[in-house]
Amino acid sequence: SQQGEEDPQALSIQEGENATMNCSYKTSINNLQWYRQNSGRGLVHLILIRSNEREKHSGRLRVTLDTSKKSSSLLITASRAADTASYFCATDSDYKLSFGAGTTVTVRA
Amino acid sequence: EPEVTQTPSHQVTQMGQEVILRCVPISNHLYFYWYRQILGQKVEFLVSFYNNEISEKSEIFDDQFSVERPDGSNFTLKIRSTKLEDSAMYFCASRQGAGTGELFFGEGSRLTVL
Repeated sequence: SQQGEEDPQALSIQEGENATMNCSYKTSINNLQWYRQNSGRGLVHLILIRSNEREKHSGRLRVTLDTSKKSSSLLITASRAADTASYFCATDSDYKLSFGAGTTVTVRA
Repeated sequence: EPEVTQTPSHQVTQMGQEVILRCVPISNHLYFYWYRQILGQKVEFLVSFYNNEISEKSEIFDDQFSVERPDGSNFTLKIRSTKLEDSAMYFCASRQGAGTGELFFGEGSRLTVL
C-alpha cells in the first residue's frame, strides 16, 4: 500500500504552541498533500509538496518532504483553538490520493 | 467559490435496500472520486472516474457498488444491496488534473444502514 501513515495519532497542545505531525509512506509518489478535517465535515486541502521539493510554507504551515526516507512532516506554528481538527497526509499517484489514518490535534485555549 | 455538493446529507436505509448518493463536482474538473470514512477511522479510497469510465477502484468497491455520470453535472454512487458495514460517511471529490493538484471534497453523505 502506498498510503501515508501519520504519527502521532493524537496531539494535545496549548494555544500558541507549535504542533508537529509526521507521515510515512511506502512507494514513490508524484506529490504529497496535507488535508484538514473538522469533526463531521469534508476534507479541506492545506498544502501540496511535489516529489522534487524539500520544504514548503503557507502561512503558519510548514511542510517538509524527505523522499529518501519516504516521510513528511507538517508543522503548525503558533496554534489557535480554531486549529483543532484532524490532519491527514495523502500520497498522490496518477489515479488516486491515498490517505493515512490522521492525527487528531486538540488546541487548548 | 466553486464547491462540490453532495446529496443527501444523511440517509437512513434498511439492510438490503439500494441507495444512490449524488454529487455535483466542480464544473471544469475532469477527475472524480468517491471515498468513504467509517466513524473515527481513516478515509478510504473507493473509486476514481475519468472520461466516463473507472480509472481505478479499491477492493472495497465490489460488485455491489457502481458509479455513473448520467449527465454533464452529476456523479453518482450506487450501492445495490446495502449491508450494515456500509454505514459510513461517503465523500465525493473532484480535481482538474490527475496526479498534479488538490482534491476538492464535498461535505459528505452520511449513510446509516439498519
